[in-house]
Amino acid sequence: KAGVTQTPRYLIKTRGQQVTLSCSPISGHRSVSWYQQTPGQGLQFLFEYFSETQRNKGNFPGRFSGRQFSNSRSEMNVSTLELGDSALYLCASSLAYGQQDGYTFGSGTRLTVV
Amino acid sequence: KNEVEQSPQNLTAQEGEFITINCSYSVGISALHWLQQHPGGGIVSLFMLSSGKKKHGRLIATINIQEKHSSLHITASHPRDSAVYICAVRSNTGNQFYFGTGTSLTVIP
Repeated sequence: KAGVTQTPRYLIKTRGQQVTLSCSPISGHRSVSWYQQTPGQGLQFLFEYFSETQRNKGNFPGRFSGRQFSNSRSEMNVSTLELGDSALYLCASSLAYGQQDGYTFGSGTRLTVV
Repeated sequence: KNEVEQSPQNLTAQEGEFITINCSYSVGISALHWLQQHPGGGIVSLFMLSSGKKKHGRLIATINIQEKHSSLHITASHPRDSAVYICAVRSNTGNQFYFGTGTSLTVIP
């Protein structure tokens, strides 16, 4: 079965622009979570969605937002990009919110802000 | 102060050696995860633990809730085990995820 699909894989944007990243979960998975990974800060939790509702959110500014659609696909948006937003953005899906049996990660979107 | 601390940061082992990676955390948790990340970025979820011990092939993960400590063991290590291993916890207040900085493992043939 198909894994978690993130698009695009690579992206270069200019400071001040906005960007939208997409995550399609494994078929049947209804929970999607997003993470940012940078060399300096490591992995950090962005937000988690289940049934089209944001269930919890990490400590990121309001420029970072997301949503989940009725088919469980999720998007995250970053507005007014800053150089420090350059990172690998990962999403993961699981069967349900608070799923106690594993997450499957996508390959990530590598965002470079210039 | 980091909510999750891992040790060691870097580890080099000879093929066949027994390896232990440690994780300590300071928050109350509902679950602890061990993740494996290979060069190129892909992350694989190895284990999710809320108590006791789990085993999958040559990998064993244990957790001591009272001591807020978990270990990941690799028996008979192999060069393909070379990766970064990351400990993550899901807090039981606010459902936040916190991550360790990772342990970079290199297994030499």
